[in-house]
Amino acid sequence: DGGITQSPKYLFRKEGQNVTLSCEQNLNHDAMYWYRQDPGQGLRLIYYSQIVNDFQKGDIAEGYSVSREKKESFPLTVTSAQKNPTAFYLCASRSQGALNGYTFGSGTRLTVV
Amino acid sequence: AQSVTQLGSHVSVSEGALVLLRCNYSSSVPPYLFWYVQYPNQGLQLLLKYTSAATLVKGINGFEAEFKKSETSFHLTKPSAHMSDAAEYFCAVSSLSGNTPLVFGKGTRLSVIA
Repeated sequence: DGGITQSPKYLFRKEGQNVTLSCEQNLNHDAMYWYRQDPGQGLRLIYYSQIVNDFQKGDIAEGYSVSREKKESFPLTVTSAQKNPTAFYLCASRSQGALNGYTFGSGTRLTVV
Repeated sequence: AQSVTQLGSHVSVSEGALVLLRCNYSSSVPPYLFWYVQYPNQGLQLLLKYTSAATLVKGINGFEAEFKKSETSFHLTKPSAHMSDAAEYFCAVSSLSGNTPLVFGKGTRLSVIA
């Protein structure tokens, strides 16, 4: 079955360490997105990519980095520069066309201690 | 720029009662609109979408939404709430070109009381 997979589901890291969250899709979608979710703040866009080898900053890109070397993959690195990285991270993908909504992964909960 | 406003961060209803979750959009032209549901510690799932084919849109789990251009609204309703409907609901808007990310509302948490 086609879908979008985020791994791991839960991630614990020590403060000051970089950590990479995985996002893989087999839907042949062109665009992929990373969102951060904190209680009461909805979804905030971190980065997005509409084609391979190209990506754009979202509203809260500081302290994060991404790559898009393959259509299927869009990993997110949370760097030590991110001041408050503990959050729920959601990856999504979308095929071309405004009529299409997102398909979301099941999320990764990152806790930095 | 497009925006979405969801009125009420938390809505509580009794089991069997009407569910009404409000969404108003701001857009210079009628956009495409979406409602998503999120259960705890999960991703978002598409409930329904408005793509201008019909103003009353039926979705999964008995939900429906009506697009009202004059009120710039796309409220989500369900005639009779079930305990399993307790979740967070997000309204989102897409540009006509689809070249920009969806814009999400801040979400409404629905509680269902037995």
